[in-house]
Amino acid sequence: GENVEQHPSTLSVQEGDSAVIKCTYSDSASNYFPWYKQELGKGPQLIIDIRSNVGEKKDQRIAVTLNKTAKHFSLHITETQPEDSAVYFCAASMGAGGTSYGKLTFGQGTILTVHP
Amino acid sequence: DAGVTQSPTHLIKTRGQQVTLRCSPKSGHDTVSWYQQALGQGPQFIFQYYEEEERQRGNFPDRFSGHQFPNYSSELNVNALLLGDSALYLCASSLLARDTQYFGPGTRLTVL
Repeated sequence: GENVEQHPSTLSVQEGDSAVIKCTYSDSASNYFPWYKQELGKGPQLIIDIRSNVGEKKDQRIAVTLNKTAKHFSLHITETQPEDSAVYFCAASMGAGGTSYGKLTFGQGTILTVHP
Repeated sequence: DAGVTQSPTHLIKTRGQQVTLRCSPKSGHDTVSWYQQALGQGPQFIFQYYEEEERQRGNFPDRFSGHQFPNYSSELNVNALLLGDSALYLCASSLLARDTQYFGPGTRLTVL
């Protein structure tokens, strides 16, 4: 089955700096890659996602890049703010039509701390 | 527009007991997936329901079972609780034809 590795496990930055979190996946059939932000005591919140027919996607201060050949994808947060502090998870799944469609496989998470 | 809701928020049980957790999907969604999140780890897929049928299942024992109702809401049942079942149980809803899953706030289960 799919395996997703996420690095680093913790990341500490100063307010205004950029933060980058990287994930690798094992199953070349995976074609959907969401990123979730989870605050203490809450469920994961979808912040951005990318599909395998796209190499990069941006939404204001957040961007995601995908390298299908190397099977890795990354989350980039620019101009970080203290409210960006949370646990971030990457995930991978097969798209519609795949045998495991709808099953998200998550990375281990990255604890991001943004210092004022 | 209400998002995904789950009940109860917290639950404390003892070993060997049974528990039922509930989930109402986001308005318009027809598919419900359940995940288990142990402390400090990423969510792990338990199973997914669509049209009141289990579509696929992760690596969880038969003690974990579920149900989906005609209004698309869902229940997760866990029998013969073990200490290791202590976790945050998350429900996610989606449309079958779409990838995107939206999570609820979760139910924190503690097994003593």
